[in-house]
Amino acid sequence: GAVVSQHPSWVICKSGTSVKIECRSLDFQATTMFWYRQFPKQSLMLMATSNEGSKATYEQGVEKDKFLINHASLTLSTLTVTSAHPEDSSFYICSASETDYGYTFGSGTRLTVV
Amino acid sequence: DAKTTQPPSMDCAEGRAANLPCNHSTISGNEYVYWYRQIHSQGPQYIIHGLKNNETNEMASLIITEDRKSSTLILPHATLRDTAVYYCIVKGAGSYQLTFGKGTKLSVIP
Repeated sequence: GAVVSQHPSWVICKSGTSVKIECRSLDFQATTMFWYRQFPKQSLMLMATSNEGSKATYEQGVEKDKFLINHASLTLSTLTVTSAHPEDSSFYICSASETDYGYTFGSGTRLTVV
Repeated sequence: DAKTTQPPSMDCAEGRAANLPCNHSTISGNEYVYWYRQIHSQGPQYIIHGLKNNETNEMASLIITEDRKSSTLILPHATLRDTAVYYCIVKGAGSYQLTFGKGTKLSVIP
């Protein structure tokens, strides 16, 4: 079945630095990938839709200059959290779709900003 | 996409069937019902989806009422590894986003 690899699985960074998270579709091409954020004891919230070769579409309230998304190929999307602050600490998850109905999720990245 | 309502939590004895309900009374004709689950600190895992017919796969069964206003996910023989948050999601054929609600936290008890 479809596999989505997300890296790193966890990262700790200092406040003010930037962190890049990678999301790869391993055995299929993904024109569109999605980035979610999940705070403790809460559900997944869609942050943005990543489109290969074009600008990402951000959900309302998500700062596009803070959460930079690049989808340069059909198998790779990256999310960069710029100038991270403790309130950005969260669980970030990507997903991609191989078919019209199947969505595969990565294993998530636990970001802790200290 | 239509909104869903699920109980916040449920318990199930190990080895017994787990029946997780979901209400989606505003579902429209071209919207599918999806079920995902999320084990602690992992990404969501696809379980099953359906339009109007009942569906079964190696993981679970999905029973959709005739009026499509509600559905039930059935895990026939729950194990401790089935402890997770289960999300019922309604998505239109023309929509490509999955919107997650709060889900049901299923605890399988030895």
